[in-house]
Amino acid sequence: DAGITQSPRYKITETGRQVTLMCHQTWSHSYMFWYRQDLGHGLRLIYYSAAADITDKGEVPDGYVVSRSKTENFPLTLESATRSQTSVYFCASSGRLPGDSTTDTQYFGPGTRLTVL
Amino acid sequence: ILNVEQSPQSLHVQEGDSTNFTCSFPSSNFYALHWYRWETAKSPEALFVMTLNGDEKKKGRISATLNTKEGYSYLYIKGSQPEDSATYLCAPWGQTGANNLFFGTGTRLTVIP
Repeated sequence: DAGITQSPRYKITETGRQVTLMCHQTWSHSYMFWYRQDLGHGLRLIYYSAAADITDKGEVPDGYVVSRSKTENFPLTLESATRSQTSVYFCASSGRLPGDSTTDTQYFGPGTRLTVL
Repeated sequence: ILNVEQSPQSLHVQEGDSTNFTCSFPSSNFYALHWYRWETAKSPEALFVMTLNGDEKKKGRISATLNTKEGYSYLYIKGSQPEDSATYLCAPWGQTGANNLFFGTGTRLTVIP
């Protein structure tokens, strides 16, 4: 089905473990984003990618690693999970840089709820 | 980091009431503003993208205005319905660049039947 998907939808892990959250979109959008949702902060940008092999940091990148070898995939890895990384993670994509067009905007995936014990 | 404030944080209205909420942001270096609607247990969906001072956008019973000189945007809902219950997020861009998009914490609207 067309759209943007995330997997897993729910994940429980332990402190110190490596975790990878997957994001896949079928629109061939150039831009992809990872956000975390935290109480009192709303959505905060972790990393984004403008195209395959081009990634850059957002507001809260520490403790996370991303890669983008293919346009449609944008995995987010927590190299050594900490309790402070317990959150809901949203992936988003857009065809153009949001704001460059009055019609283009971000499309969000369903989210991954991550709990770090 | 762009300081984005949304008010009120939450509100309850009766079905049929009209309501509005505010998104405030620094007026300098304004580039664009997005409004999103976010229902519980779902993902945010775009409502509007606004770029010009004085912009007005409308989608059904929902409309938005933009004042870039004073740094605010209003979202209006006319004749609220229970299905309008959601959190409404604004996201202004201070300048071009994918890492210059900062979301407000949202206004949580509950429409009571």
